[in-house]
Amino acid sequence: DVKVTQSSRYLVKRTGEKVFLECVQDMDHENMFWYRQDPGLGLRLIYFSYDVKMKEKGDIPEGYSVSREKKERFSLILESASTNQTSMYLCASVHEEGAFYGYTFGSGTRLTVV
Amino acid sequence: GESVGLHLPTLSVQEGDNSIINCAYSNSASDYFIWYKQESGKGPQFIIDIRSNMDKRQGQRVTVLLNKTVKHLSLQIAATQPGDSAVYFCAEKEVPQGTALIFGKGTTLSVSS
Repeated sequence: DVKVTQSSRYLVKRTGEKVFLECVQDMDHENMFWYRQDPGLGLRLIYFSYDVKMKEKGDIPEGYSVSREKKERFSLILESASTNQTSMYLCASVHEEGAFYGYTFGSGTRLTVV
Repeated sequence: GESVGLHLPTLSVQEGDNSIINCAYSNSASDYFIWYKQESGKGPQFIIDIRSNMDKRQGQRVTVLLNKTVKHLSLQIAATQPGDSAVYFCAEKEVPQGTALIFGKGTTLSVSS
């Protein structure tokens, strides 16, 4: 089975801290995505990557950066955490082949910034 | 950017009833649509997808209908069960590689026994 693993289920960080959220997929997928999920707002795209060392901004990239040094790992970085970044963060990996798109999500990391 | 929206944030049904969850999309260039189910504490799970060259697709107890004229998508769940209680999201995408899924805000389905 396809698997996307997010390293932490719950995190509590202080305002101003640098935070790393890790996501690893074991499917050799090229495409990986980071979303944040907030009540009433659904899932919003932060950043995505189509290949190693490539990154593209999503709809809400401000306050975030990403790193993709290896194909299987896509990291989301909060350079200086703020309370408005308290949210559920979801990583996804996708395989695109012809007419088929297999998106697989991790279980999420619930981040609280205090 | 353009976004996908859902008509109702919550839907309550009785066990055994059929459920219909609706979604409106605004990007006329979207040609691939997916429904996801998200249970508490878990990431979204794929339910069913449909391409714009189709108007209906059926899975096990689920049917997705696509009306491109009015840019409307619906998910029908037959004989709804308590285990179907979750948040349901529709998502849209332009088929060419290199575009991301855009999600709607979600509908919370509550099934009572």
